[in-house]
Amino acid sequence: DAGITQSPRHKVTETGTPVTLRCHQTENHRYMYWYRQDPGHGLRLIHYSYGVKDTDKGEVSDGYSVSRSKTEDFLLTLESATSSQTSVYFCAISPDRGQAYEQYFGPGTRLTVT
Amino acid sequence: RKEVEQDPGPFNVPEGATVAFNCTYSNSASQSFFWYRQDCRKEPKLLMSVYSSGNEDGRFTAQLNRASQYISLLIRDSKLSDSATYLCVVNSNSGYALNFGKGTSLLVTP
Repeated sequence: DAGITQSPRHKVTETGTPVTLRCHQTENHRYMYWYRQDPGHGLRLIHYSYGVKDTDKGEVSDGYSVSRSKTEDFLLTLESATSSQTSVYFCAISPDRGQAYEQYFGPGTRLTVT
Repeated sequence: RKEVEQDPGPFNVPEGATVAFNCTYSNSASQSFFWYRQDCRKEPKLLMSVYSSGNEDGRFTAQLNRASQYISLLIRDSKLSDSATYLCVVNSNSGYALNFGKGTSLLVTP
């Protein structure tokens, strides 16, 4: 299995609070991604990174920000959590092969916003 | 139209059966195609890439029809352990990201 960890694995937080999720990889892969998965929607891309300090928005980026100061870490921040952000969040990594290639996923973080 | 569309199922099949899943995609310029498997409350895991000439990995066979923008996955001799959700995946316009179908649920019964 690819060396990807996510923390925390479970979190319950209150509406309006900021939340940061961490993704850590030991594979030295260039590309990192944050997805959310909800019933009826499948996996949706929030943000992705194509290098240190290089990030871009995905399909559902509103209310989220990301940072990547080191190759191995990609942080996802919910600036002011809302109940609609209750979801399972997956981080993924992908090697640099010149185009979109297979992605490997972390174990996920289950976030509940009350 | 959704980028990647799959029949959600569920497909309920007995052990030993052959089952086929289909998927269509909307971006004719797509170059990368995959099938992922996701177990309940777990992360998606890469099952296999899909190549233009079709490819096989043990009991699993993937086919790609670029003209029809159609991808298939065939599972032969189904095992109980094959019960999962199967996700069809295609690269997006950006080139960096992947578009995931919502998945097809498979339940293999004794």
